[in-house]
Amino acid sequence: QKEVEQDPGPLSVPEGAIVSLNCTYSNSAFQYFMWYRQYSRKGPELLMYTYSSGNKEDGRFTAQVDKSSKYISLFIRDSQPSDSATYLCAMSAVDKIIFGKGTRLHILP
Amino acid sequence: DAGITQSPRHKVTETGTPVTLRCHQTENHRYMYWYRQDPGHGLRLIHYSYGVKDTDKGEVSDGYSVSRSKTEDFLLTLESATSSQTSVYFCAIGKDSNYGYTFGSGTRLTVV
Repeated sequence: QKEVEQDPGPLSVPEGAIVSLNCTYSNSAFQYFMWYRQYSRKGPELLMYTYSSGNKEDGRFTAQVDKSSKYISLFIRDSQPSDSATYLCAMSAVDKIIFGKGTRLHILP
Repeated sequence: DAGITQSPRHKVTETGTPVTLRCHQTENHRYMYWYRQDPGHGLRLIHYSYGVKDTDKGEVSDGYSVSRSKTEDFLLTLESATSSQTSVYFCAIGKDSNYGYTFGSGTRLTVV
């Protein structure tokens, strides 16, 4: 079983819809959870950072961590065409971060 | 990207030649990382550094070496480039090992 699993998509949704992106993981030692956004031909950029279980909201974005289920989510409200990108989940325990393979998201105008 | 630059941005090289990629930061962060990103594999860690002259291997380190003689510079060397090393290489920096990293814009390397 891979340490971090993420559906590669692509996921296509109409503008204005709520988007749900998810990752599962197997290592119970993970304590820090992140979401990165990567536009085509660019480097990943940190979008959300959470520690342990719970929710964190930042504008249209909400990150959710459920450590009991080893499941993390990113919700995007009122999705915009500019949200079209690849979203990578990431998590860390000791001294390095493990990334999911990313989900390609297309927001249709 | 603010605080971190990679050079060159693009490079085409021949099989068997040595290649060095450079990562330069102005943030004075302790941690620096080299990743490669390939379709179907995502980001894979090659090597990382936790201080000047302190480096360690990642999951795909074979065929690569690194050096960090100054806080701000982290060099990745492909000793003898092979076609399997054609990839996009990203450098990342971090204040500590668990907090989110800042990535550079990447180097697109083609080995022919």
